[in-house]
This record gives sequence, C-alpha cells and structure tokens, in this order.
Amino acid sequence: DSGVTQTPKHLITATGQRVTLRCSPRSGDLSVYWYQQSLDQGLQFLIQYYNGEERAKGNILERFSAQQFPDLHSELNLSSLELGDSALYFCASSVEEGNEQFFGPGTRLTVL
Amino acid sequence: DAKTTQPNSMESNEEEPVHLPCNHSTISGTDYIHWYRQLPSQGPEYVIHGLTSNVNNRMASLAIAEDRKSSTLILHRATLRDAAVYYCIPPGNTDKLIFGTGTRLQVFP
Repeated sequence: DSGVTQTPKHLITATGQRVTLRCSPRSGDLSVYWYQQSLDQGLQFLIQYYNGEERAKGNILERFSAQQFPDLHSELNLSSLELGDSALYFCASSVEEGNEQFFGPGTRLTVL
Repeated sequence: DAKTTQPNSMESNEEEPVHLPCNHSTISGTDYIHWYRQLPSQGPEYVIHGLTSNVNNRMASLAIAEDRKSSTLILHRATLRDAAVYYCIPPGNTDKLIFGTGTRLQVFP
C-alpha cells in the first residue's frame, strides 16, 4: 500500500459524458501527478500540481483539466469523453518535486 | 529529450540473480537515474535511483557505468513477486516521469 488513494476504482460511462477522478496523496506529500495508461500509448504523464499550483503539463488534452485543493487532494476532470479515453488513470504523489513518486492503485475508466 | 533503451523482455528462474540493463547515452552531469517497476494490475512502484556510484536498497542494487551512459538494475535473488515491467526513466525527468516500453521480466519457478 503506497498511501495514495484513488476513487473510484472503476468507472463506466458513455461517450460525451464528463467524469471526475479523485486522488488523495500520502500524508505530507505536496506534489501530485496524474498519468494515463492505455494499451496503445503506454504510461503517459498528464499534469503535475505542487501545493495547489500547476507546475508541469504533459500531453493532456484540452478536454481534461485538474486541480489540487487546499487539503492537497486532487481531482482530474475528463469531459466530452471519447472511446479513446478508456484507460487506467494513475495518481502519484511525492513529498517534494524531484523525489520518488508513490502511485495509487488507479482508476479504470471505460467509455462505451 | 533524453531517451533510454531497454530490452523488451527478459527471463529468469526463481532465486537467480537478474541484471536488467539500460542505456541512457544522453545523460547530463547532474541527472539522476531512476528505476520504477509495475507489477501486474498495480500502479508503478519506485525501485531505486542513483547519480554516480552504485546504490543498494532493500529491493535492488543499481550499478552505474563510469561514464554514466548506462546502468544495470540488479535483483539479487528473483522471486515470483518480482515479475513485472521494469522502467528505466530517462534522466532529467524526475517529475514528468517518462515511461517507455520497459523490460518485461518473467520469473519461472
């Protein structure tokens, strides 16, 4: 158990819908990262927050957005969902930027 | 961007040592070398990192070449639980981790 929690574990929805994935970092970790893992693209970095501020962006689609709240939990919002958004979404946290990242168990999103 | 090269797959028998190689020829002087692994149906897991000298922790050892252009992750006695995909992260990307295809390690009883 990494100490990072993600909810929900599974999510099934339809194209065009919007979903929110939630992540609670390890206690004391200030940095939160989101990754997407799909069969064709592998594991890809989406976005990073540090103490509430966006710090880095990867190949995150404009339909996707994220935020980190004052209690340091983070949410990833995915809208206008397409079939190709079906993937595992991982959240990770680290105590500081550049430190090892601890990953949550992931949320499996299925878009039908 | 820095890149790494790893074999697609490797095999080992249980309780034998495993040496997982990685080439990172574009490494810069202050870049750390990080390794992560992903067990089946789990999120990635940090394994080890190092800068210049060899490093050991409870999970593995990391041997870094003198020119730092390559490294080897060493599992001293592979167990069935070590079957996973091992990722050598391109140096210089300790925040935006870039996971390539990694090396899929199979461990046979």
